[in-house]
Amino acid sequence: NAGVTQTPKFRILKIGQSMTLQCAQDMNHNYMYWYRQDPGMGLKLIYYSVGAGITDKGEVPNGYNVSRSTTEDFPLRLELAAPSQTSVYFCASSYAGPPSSPLHFGNGTRLTVT
Amino acid sequence: SQKIEQNSEALNIQEGKTATLTCNYTNYSPAYLQWYRQDPGRGPVFLLLIRENEKEKRKERLKVTFDTTLKQSLFHITASQPADSATYLCALAGGNQFYFGTGTSLTVIP
Repeated sequence: NAGVTQTPKFRILKIGQSMTLQCAQDMNHNYMYWYRQDPGMGLKLIYYSVGAGITDKGEVPNGYNVSRSTTEDFPLRLELAAPSQTSVYFCASSYAGPPSSPLHFGNGTRLTVT
Repeated sequence: SQKIEQNSEALNIQEGKTATLTCNYTNYSPAYLQWYRQDPGRGPVFLLLIRENEKEKRKERLKVTFDTTLKQSLFHITASQPADSATYLCALAGGNQFYFGTGTSLTVIP
């Protein structure tokens, strides 16, 4: 099992550009999540999905979009990148939802917007 | 939303000693609390889960307590080793979300 795989590992974007952060899991997990982590701020939830075809907003969804067409994949789309979106992005999955099911994280995508 | 506070200062301890990390939360009391370890450049890794009716839980050198009256969890690493150096995060669930603390950076000095 590869677990949760995120690509790319690093990316530099110019203001106004768009990109898609890829996330794939091979554990047949129903729940998938996107978090961003900023220094001193902890992990903040951007979007989550409870299954294929179902997505919902987290705490900080503005400027992002997601889709979940398959159980395995949960891409995060940034449209019109802004410097405030400079962060480390983590994708996670879990078999069941909160509160008891532990999260399995990928190793992140470090994004810089200049 | 849930507010979670962890030791804001980095914690440095001598090898072999017990490290104690604190997680305090406000608002409602969660039924479960989770602890994760995060190494530099890596995603968090799940360590332990404790339920509200479990006062204490152990896994090898790790021990977690959960005091719903104080709204606090303590995370202990006994006989600490340099390999335990990392950032430790606590997490609580609310609705369909997990809320994470900012983490405590632990350094174990040989």
